[in-house]
Amino acid sequence: QVQLVQSGPEVKKPGSSVRVSCKASGGTFKTYVYNWVRQAPGQGLEWMGGVTPTFASHYAPRFQGRVTITADESTNTAYMEMSGLKSEDTAVYYCARGVAPMIFRNAFDIWGQGTMVTVSS
Amino acid sequence: EVVVTQSPATLSVSPGERVTLSCTASQNIDNNLAWYQQKPGQAPRLLIHGASTRATGISARFSGSGSGTEFTLSISSLQSDDFAVYYCQQYNNWPPFTFGQGTRLDIK
Repeated sequence: QVQLVQSGPEVKKPGSSVRVSCKASGGTFKTYVYNWVRQAPGQGLEWMGGVTPTFASHYAPRFQGRVTITADESTNTAYMEMSGLKSEDTAVYYCARGVAPMIFRNAFDIWGQGTMVTVSS
Repeated sequence: EVVVTQSPATLSVSPGERVTLSCTASQNIDNNLAWYQQKPGQAPRLLIHGASTRATGISARFSGSGSGTEFTLSISSLQSDDFAVYYCQQYNNWPPFTFGQGTRLDIK
């Protein structure tokens, strides 16, 4: 049974960067797409981007250039790094795995527990 | 970008009833639509993908239908555990994949 375990909460200053990790345990890491979705307080879900099994990353236009999504097969871990943080980036950040292997266009069936990132001066 | 619109925003129903939630895409997305359930403080849980395929372990009380631009999620015999926020998501056109704004299911 695969589980995605994310790193702990972060408090950051405006203009700084944050990196959130997502470690897969209990199953196969490679061959799946890992996505990042965020949720601002009281708001809906927003897809940020994803990384494929061949380590190609794709981003939502609004995050392109500010977010970097990577994966490390040796540690079964996916990462999301965001730079130039603003107060509007305060949100819970989730990693989520695609349902079927090797397919980017996919629903997300396994989710991490979420990481709260607070951006405040 | 495909805009996904859910209706209604809030639905108040009694336990035991059947409810239908709607999701409309701004352009054709074939059957590349998923439904998620989210409870306060929890990550979303996948209910339906491919518009009508139940995810592993999901009760048969949940059913999805539709294709193209119009989709529905039906929940029969509502139980107390079903009261939550439901999101639909299109994954046909990207970037980006897009979610609806959610429908909150409240106990009447």
